[in-house]
Amino acid sequence: QSVLTQPPSASETPGQRVTISCSGSSSNIRSYYVYWYQQLPGTAPKLLIYRNNQRPSGVPDRFSGSKSGTAASLGISGLRSEDEADYYCAAWDDSLSAVVFGGGTKLTVL
Amino acid sequence: QVQLQESGPGLVKPSETLSLTCTVSGGPINSDYWSWIRQPAGKGLEWIGRIYNSGTTNYNPSLKSRVTMSVDTSKNQFSLKLSSVTAADSAFYYCARGTSGDGFDIWGQGTMVTVYS
Repeated sequence: QSVLTQPPSASETPGQRVTISCSGSSSNIRSYYVYWYQQLPGTAPKLLIYRNNQRPSGVPDRFSGSKSGTAASLGISGLRSEDEADYYCAAWDDSLSAVVFGGGTKLTVL
Repeated sequence: QVQLQESGPGLVKPSETLSLTCTVSGGPINSDYWSWIRQPAGKGLEWIGRIYNSGTTNYNPSLKSRVTMSVDTSKNQFSLKLSSVTAADSAFYYCARGTSGDGFDIWGQGTMVTVYS
């Protein structure tokens, strides 16, 4: 059972937009930055979004992040087949004094 | 460009200590902090802990009693030791660079560790 809750799967057709949610609490998401990581099959995770809504250099602007209260979301527009991956949210949790991850969402581009 | 590479035994016996090293290349090791993160096959990510260049550490409470991290700035390396391993510790182990507010921006490719009897 992960501290941050994500839907296990999501799917959408190419060109469309998908949103992946991440639910937490006042000890993590409400109080700290949210990060999103993309893990393509067989590879290490890659930082996709930092500080709730900032994109590292090289990440397309099709990817966006937002946060409100104890929830965060990752949006991917103009879906492409290469976006098929597992997506994880993460944040610091001050009750645990630890970085916590969501359980991950497997995105399928139909 | 900074790169990370994990190294260490791929097989560890139950009750023994798992030892991994992460070598930092392409830049100095004086980042904010360095973390270890693991992922059992087919499952999600679990943060193990982090170490600052000063040697200060933070560990996941669920693993704290068994984890020790260290850093050797002269070798541009940092290390993980996990004692009393069981099959539940079998996983891909990743090292990653962390910067305050900026997340884990650089990851190693990961190394698979299997606990077998």
